[in-house]
Amino acid sequence: DAGVTQSPTHLIKTRGQQVTLRCSPKSGHDTVSWYQQALGQGPQFIFQYYEEEERQRGNFPDRFSGHQFPNYSSELNVNALLLGDSALYLCASSPRRVGRTEAFFGQGTRLTVV
Amino acid sequence: ELKVEQNPLFLSMQEGKNYTIYCNYSTTSDRLYWYRQDPGKSLESLFVLLSNGAVKQEGRLMASLDTKARLSTLHITAAVHDLSATYFCAVDIWPGTASKLTFGTGTRLQVTL
Repeated sequence: DAGVTQSPTHLIKTRGQQVTLRCSPKSGHDTVSWYQQALGQGPQFIFQYYEEEERQRGNFPDRFSGHQFPNYSSELNVNALLLGDSALYLCASSPRRVGRTEAFFGQGTRLTVV
Repeated sequence: ELKVEQNPLFLSMQEGKNYTIYCNYSTTSDRLYWYRQDPGKSLESLFVLLSNGAVKQEGRLMASLDTKARLSTLHITAAVHDLSATYFCAVDIWPGTASKLTFGTGTRLQVTL
């Protein structure tokens, strides 16, 4: 089992550009959530995808958007990048069933905006 | 809005000593998670606490949950250098899958020889 995989691992972009990050969930998981972790802080929830739709969203502007594909993989898109978007972006997957489940995190994508 | 607070934010302790990290949260929840993060790395799941009074232990770490007090603790027994990392607690208040987590600020643990 490959676990949750993210790509790329590192990325450098210029202010104003757009970026796409990718996530493949753990085998058997159909729900993907994205988190932003700024340096020295705890991760913050961006949004969650299930059945190819955004189900929940955190306090992030519309510049942050996403997509989920039929194979459950997901993309996070950020438009009009700001310096403050520099962070570690973490993807977490879990199986959607009512009850007590655990979210598994990928290794993250380190985004640097210059 | 759910708030999760950890203390201390930074903990320097000698090998062999015991200490406790505290995690307080502001809204009723019976699902709390502890994660470990090494510098530049992702989050490693340590414990999943799913009911009031839950206690779990793994090696030198023991976690507990008191849902009435809205408090979880992570106790470190006889610390060793390998435990140096940042520890996060996270709370989930949404039904269904555990994926909208609200994290604490983290406790950076440094174990000195």
